Amino acid sequence: DQQVKQNSPSLSVQEGRISILNCDYTNSMFDYFLWYKKYPAEGPTFLISISSIKDKNEDGRFTVFLNKSAKHLSLHIVPSQPGDSAVYFCAASSLDSWGKFQFGAGTQVVVTP
Amino acid sequence: DTEVTQTPKHLVMGMTNKKSLKCEQHMGHRAMYWYKQKAKKPPELMFVYSYEKLSINESVPSRFSPECPNSSLLNLHLHALQPEDSALYLCASSPADTVGDQPQHFGDGTRLSIL
Repeated sequence: DQQVKQNSPSLSVQEGRISILNCDYTNSMFDYFLWYKKYPAEGPTFLISISSIKDKNEDGRFTVFLNKSAKHLSLHIVPSQPGDSAVYFCAASSLDSWGKFQFGAGTQVVVTP
Repeated sequence: DTEVTQTPKHLVMGMTNKKSLKCEQHMGHRAMYWYKQKAKKPPELMFVYSYEKLSINESVPSRFSPECPNSSLLNLHLHALQPEDSALYLCASSPADTVGDQPQHFGDGTRLSIL
């Protein structure tokens, strides 16, 4: 039973524009959320996180928004750059879960010139 | 360069073989993890080690046997695997063990193919 869902398997965006990636979850016990980025032949790399006490966290070009009532989070990348082309995974856990993260299936982002 | 090193990068083995996957980190992390990832699927947690002790086993078949010789090393011993075990095996580590608010650092994975 998939508790974290990324319903868009792929996203194409023009360089310089905003990329918006979405993630939905079903488990109301989740209180910590992360985004990972993965290039081919490499492991996932941590990008940005947010805890449930916040609704927004920003780090440079990356901003994560959390809507707890809708059980929805999103990642905004602005401006998008060619190096952002990768697979992005959303992950969620609860603080007492001993690192037991649930991952979404990923969204392939392609940034075109 | 990844701070979590996994070897080998690729492994092809028969169903009767015994092999081991290795994972090493030198970040002083005290929690280490094994994940299995099939194509176009999310990583699935297999095992969690905290302070070299197994703390989570996600009902993984006994043909997968983890071992944590010390805080920097995590092995996954493989025996009598099935073709459906072909996947990318990811190792990860994180600083803390008792709370879930620490991002995990992943290795580049071992791509395993079972003939």
